[in-house]
Amino acid sequence: KNQVEQSPQSLIILEGKNCTLQCNYTVSPFSNLRWYKQDTGRGPVSLTIMTFSENTKSNGRYTATLDADTKQSSLHITASQLSDSASYICVVSAVRGGSYIPTFGRGTSLIVHP
Amino acid sequence: DAGVIQSPRHEVTEMGQEVTLRCKPISGHDYLFWYRQTMMRGLELLIYFNNNVPIDDSGMPEDRFSAKMPNASFSTLKIQPSEPRDSAVYFCASTFGTVVLQNYGYTFGSGTRLTVV
Repeated sequence: KNQVEQSPQSLIILEGKNCTLQCNYTVSPFSNLRWYKQDTGRGPVSLTIMTFSENTKSNGRYTATLDADTKQSSLHITASQLSDSASYICVVSAVRGGSYIPTFGRGTSLIVHP
Repeated sequence: DAGVIQSPRHEVTEMGQEVTLRCKPISGHDYLFWYRQTMMRGLELLIYFNNNVPIDDSGMPEDRFSAKMPNASFSTLKIQPSEPRDSAVYFCASTFGTVVLQNYGYTFGSGTRLTVV
């Protein structure tokens, strides 16, 4: 069964500190992996998208890594800001018959304190 | 582009009533997804359409749930009859879905928060 596991479930850090969120998956055949940020009361917004051949991608203070061999990804947030408080969701897609099927992790809830 | 538009933003209804959620995808997107999000289960894919045709509805929890996409610019998710356990946030998302364009991410609407009492 295709699964996406995220850790930790929740995380509290002080403003200005760095943090790393983890995503492990068993989705097959792998197509791509996305990290989304979901603010409270809003829909998820894409941060990064990585395919099999990419092992790192940055979007401002967000850097995602992918190890396709171990089926692990991480999202590193540098110099956290209060606005980083949100849920971060890892989504892994498989390709079947020309269509791609997403499997969602349950997310990591990040709280940044001043 | 105004993005994916969902209505209503909030819906409170009594158990047993019919509920209809609406979604307008981004113009030109050929895939539309309906998701449900709860604290316990996170985001769950309910059903998705490609070029207005339902492709996979295996995530639809029960026969009480139905979804339609009569044209490329409109989709509905209907629950009849509604139950308290249906209370959740329902998201609609759209994207370009061809394999060549797989790097194009989903665009989510703001969701409909449904409360069934």
